[in-house]
Amino acid sequence: GDSVTQMEGPVTLSEEAFLTINCTYTATGYPSLFWYVQYPGEGLQLLLKATKADDKGSNKGFEATYRKETTSFHLEKGSVQVSDSAVYFCALRLPYGQNFVFGPGTRLSVLP
Amino acid sequence: GAGVSQSPSNKVTEKGKDVELRCDPISGHTALYWYRQSLGQGLEFLIYFQGNSAPDKSGLPSDRFSAERTGGSVSTLTIQRTQQEDSAVYLCASSLQGPANYGYTFGSGTRLTVV
Repeated sequence: GDSVTQMEGPVTLSEEAFLTINCTYTATGYPSLFWYVQYPGEGLQLLLKATKADDKGSNKGFEATYRKETTSFHLEKGSVQVSDSAVYFCALRLPYGQNFVFGPGTRLSVLP
Repeated sequence: GAGVSQSPSNKVTEKGKDVELRCDPISGHTALYWYRQSLGQGLEFLIYFQGNSAPDKSGLPSDRFSAERTGGSVSTLTIQRTQQEDSAVYLCASSLQGPANYGYTFGSGTRLTVV
């Protein structure tokens, strides 16, 4: 079946460090890919998305590139801030599918 | 409304009691979803509504769980005879009906604690 795998957390970084959170997927069709972020005590928010191969989604300094050949959508940020501390979820959605498939989430803690 | 609104934000209930969770989606969003997020776990899909009908109920964990949506807007998720394993954050999301590249907008969730 369709699934999303993320690197296990928690990930702890110092402020201004480089961030990578790996995400790979398995899908029967050609999905759109998403990263959602959940700040403490809040609901999930869409962070960025990409809808076809080689597309790059970006927002708030975060980037992820849709790599069809490696079925990956790794999240990166060049310099993290304390305010980036949150849980990050990678997700896919199939064409004409209504349901998202989420990864298990990766908790990021950024220390000052 | 401007966002997806869920109520209550927190609910503590005794084992065996019934609970009702409410979701008010973004105006005009025809698709509505319920997910469950247990402590330390990812998101578990429960049910999807398109308008008032629920074409996909595959994620409901047992017959104690039911959901309805009226007027193509507000949805309620009901859990009967709650058990301790029902304790989780219940998230509602809404979306425009359309291509798969549309994202969801999530509410802040209802944290349910069964004691």
